[in-house]
Amino acid sequence: DSGVTQTPKHLITATGQRVTLRCSPRSGDLSVYWYQQSLDQGLQFLIQYYNGEERAKGNILERFSAQQFPDLHSELNLSSLELGDSALYFCASSVEHSTDTQYFGPGTRLTVL
Amino acid sequence: SQELEQSPQSLIVQEGKNLTINCTSSKTLYGLYWYKQKYGEGLIFLMMLQKGGEEKSHEKITAKLDEKKQQSSLHITASQPSHAGIYLCGAMGKGGYQKVTFGTGTKLQVIP
Repeated sequence: DSGVTQTPKHLITATGQRVTLRCSPRSGDLSVYWYQQSLDQGLQFLIQYYNGEERAKGNILERFSAQQFPDLHSELNLSSLELGDSALYFCASSVEHSTDTQYFGPGTRLTVL
Repeated sequence: SQELEQSPQSLIVQEGKNLTINCTSSKTLYGLYWYKQKYGEGLIFLMMLQKGGEEKSHEKITAKLDEKKQQSSLHITASQPSHAGIYLCGAMGKGGYQKVTFGTGTKLQVIP
């Protein structure tokens, strides 16, 4: 158990819909990262937040947005969903920097029908 | 964009054997990460290498960064069934972590 929790574990929705994925980091970790893993594109870094502020922005689509709240949990919002958004979405946390050990959550499997 | 090639794509070894997985970048490496993923599960961060020639170990797994070759190698000594899984490398580009890219993975099976 990494100490990082993600909800829900599975999500099935339809094209055009909007969903919210939630992540709670390990106690004491200030940075949260979001990743997308799909068969087509492999693992991709989406975005990093540190102590409530955006720190690094990767391949995150404009239809996607994220935020980190004062209690340090984070949410990833995916809107106008397309079939190609079906993937495993991972959240990770670290103490501060991207060079620190990152602890990954079990992921949320999103299926868009 | 930076491309990472991992070799081999898959590997089957007998328990107790040593093995090496390579990760080669098309561009200069500014940092190299290694992860392990059990099938259908989350990733486990193994180690991060930043300097050329740097070598780190995690239990029986050792990784080294060769800056000149733009390559990192991951070596497992005396493999065990618990080492089975998919090993992924990730490279940090010149622009920092926002430019991180990942390899397609090496699938390792260890036969008891």
